[in-house]
Amino acid sequence: GDSVTQMEGPVTLSEEAFLTINCTYTATGYPSLFWYVQYPGEGLQLLLKATKADDKGSNKGFEATYRKETTSFHLEKGSVQVSDSAVYFCALGHASGGSYIPTFGRGTSLIVHP
Amino acid sequence: ETGVTQSPTHLIKTRGQQVTLRCSSQSGHNTVSWYQQALGQGPQFIFQYYREEENGRGNFPPRFSGLQFPNYSSELNVNALELDDSALYLCASSSGVATNEQFFGPGTRLTVL
Repeated sequence: GDSVTQMEGPVTLSEEAFLTINCTYTATGYPSLFWYVQYPGEGLQLLLKATKADDKGSNKGFEATYRKETTSFHLEKGSVQVSDSAVYFCALGHASGGSYIPTFGRGTSLIVHP
Repeated sequence: ETGVTQSPTHLIKTRGQQVTLRCSSQSGHNTVSWYQQALGQGPQFIFQYYREEENGRGNFPPRFSGLQFPNYSSELNVNALELDDSALYLCASSSGVATNEQFFGPGTRLTVL
């Protein structure tokens, strides 16, 4: 079945540092790939997505490229801020039997210090 | 445009009891999905409702059931609560079953004692 593996956290960085959170997946077919962010006490928010190989999703300075050859979708940001502290979830999904059912990774906590 | 809302925010129940969680979908969305997020884990898909019918189910026992109403709001019911049911329950709405973009509510934190 489908699965998503994320690097274990927490990832602790100083403000303005470069961020990479690794994500690899196992799936049949050609899923769409997503990054969601969850701030403390809140639900998930879609951060970015890519729907086919070599697509790059980007939003709020975050980027991730759909790499089919390495089955990866690593999240990057050039300069993190304290406000980026949150839990980040990598997910994949594709329509199956007429419905869309996503599979999430376990999440990676990011802590950014001033 | 009103986003996805869930009620209650927090809930404490004892083992064996029954619970009902509620979700109002975002305006214009006719599909609601429910997820269970245990502490330190990613969300696990429970089931999806489309036009008042269940349209896909994850690996959860029948004591997890749901409803969707004509206004597309939804309920998640859990019978015979177990300690392991303690989790954050998330509702997400979307404009159709095959769309890959879902909008999540803030969740209901259920604690089973």
